[in-house]
Parts: sequence; structure tokens; C-alpha cells
Amino acid sequence: GEDVEQSLFLSVREGDSSVINCTYTDSSSTYLYWYKQEPGAGLQLLTYIFSNMDMKQDQRLTVLLNKKDKHLSLRIADTQTGDSAIYFCAEKGSGNTPLVFGKGTRLSVIA
Amino acid sequence: EAGVTQSPTHLIKTRGQQATLRCSPISGHTSVYWYQQALGLGLQFLLWYDEGEERNRGNFPPRFSGRQFPNYSSELNVNALELEDSALYLCASSTRRGPRDTQYFGPGTRLTVL
Repeated sequence: GEDVEQSLFLSVREGDSSVINCTYTDSSSTYLYWYKQEPGAGLQLLTYIFSNMDMKQDQRLTVLLNKKDKHLSLRIADTQTGDSAIYFCAEKGSGNTPLVFGKGTRLSVIA
Repeated sequence: EAGVTQSPTHLIKTRGQQATLRCSPISGHTSVYWYQQALGLGLQFLLWYDEGEERNRGNFPPRFSGRQFPNYSSELNVNALELEDSALYLCASSTRRGPRDTQYFGPGTRLTVL
């Protein structure tokens, strides 16, 4: 079955770049997503990338997709304390399949 | 435009009771998804409703059930509650137009089973 893997923790200093990595197994993935969850809140959609793209940039966020290796990354430039949260990677297969989420990466930003 | 709303925010029940959780999707969205987020387990897919019908179901026992109403709002029912049902239950909605199926999430209902 499909599986999405992420490292569980990442700690960075304020002002540095953060890179959160994700690998997936479903080769029929159509879209890949990044969501952010702050404490006690629901998931906020950050960005998504279509599987035939290899990069997408949106302000401080850069998504890189290596379809051959099934590897997705989210880079946050100039990381701020407000970026501290859990970041979930999710992939959408073809047809009537639901999103498959990774377990989330907890990003801690040190001032 | 209003986002996905869920009620109640918190729910406390005892073992064996039943819980009902509610979700209103974004206006114009016809699909509603339910997820369970238990501590340390990430998001587990529960149920997916589209146009009033159940389209897919995750690996959960039958005591987890739900429905979608003609106005596309949805209810999740959990019968015979067990301690391990304690979790944050998240609802998401999407338009289901085209392959993208981007899901937008509500703030969740935190269910505590004592």
C-alpha cells in the first residue's frame, strides 16, 4: 500500500533555512501537498505541487520534487519563530483514493 | 468566505457511550473527509463522503460511521466508545473538481474518553 515517510523532528536557528524531507511510495501520485499544524489547531494548507513539476516557489517556501526517487522537500527561507509547528507531507494517488499523510515533522525554531 | 467548521470543539465521554461530531464544509465543496489524529500516530483516514454517498473508508471498525446531508454537512458517529478513541478528529472538505482534490481542514474536535 501507499506509504509516506518523514523525519519526526527538526531544529533550526531563527533566520536560517529549514529543509523538511518526505519520501513516498505510490508511483501514481498526482499531487503532493504540504500542510502546517500549529498546537491545538487543524491543518493549514501551505502549498502543493503537481507530479509533473520539479519545483515550485511561493514567497519563503520552495518545494522540490524528485519523482524518480519519490522524494519531496519543503524549504523555508529565513525561518521565524512563528514557523514552529508540525509539517505534514501528503500525496494523492489516482482515482478515488484519499490523501495519504506522513506522520509529520515537528519544526522547532530557536531564537 | 467561511472555512470548514466543526462542532463541538471539545467532547468528553465515558467508555461505552456514543459520540456525534459535526462538520460543515466550505460553501461549494461537495466532499467531506474525516481523519483521526491520535497522539503519536499521525493522521489516520476514517471516511470520505461525496454527494451524499460514502466513497471510501479507512481501516476502522464499523462502530465508526457517518453520513452526509443534502447540504453537504456531515456527521461522524462513534459508538461503544473505547479509551483509545481519545483523539483529535479532523474534518476536511474539497470540491472534487479535477484531479487536484485539495483538502481544506477544520479546527478539529478533541474527543476525550474517560
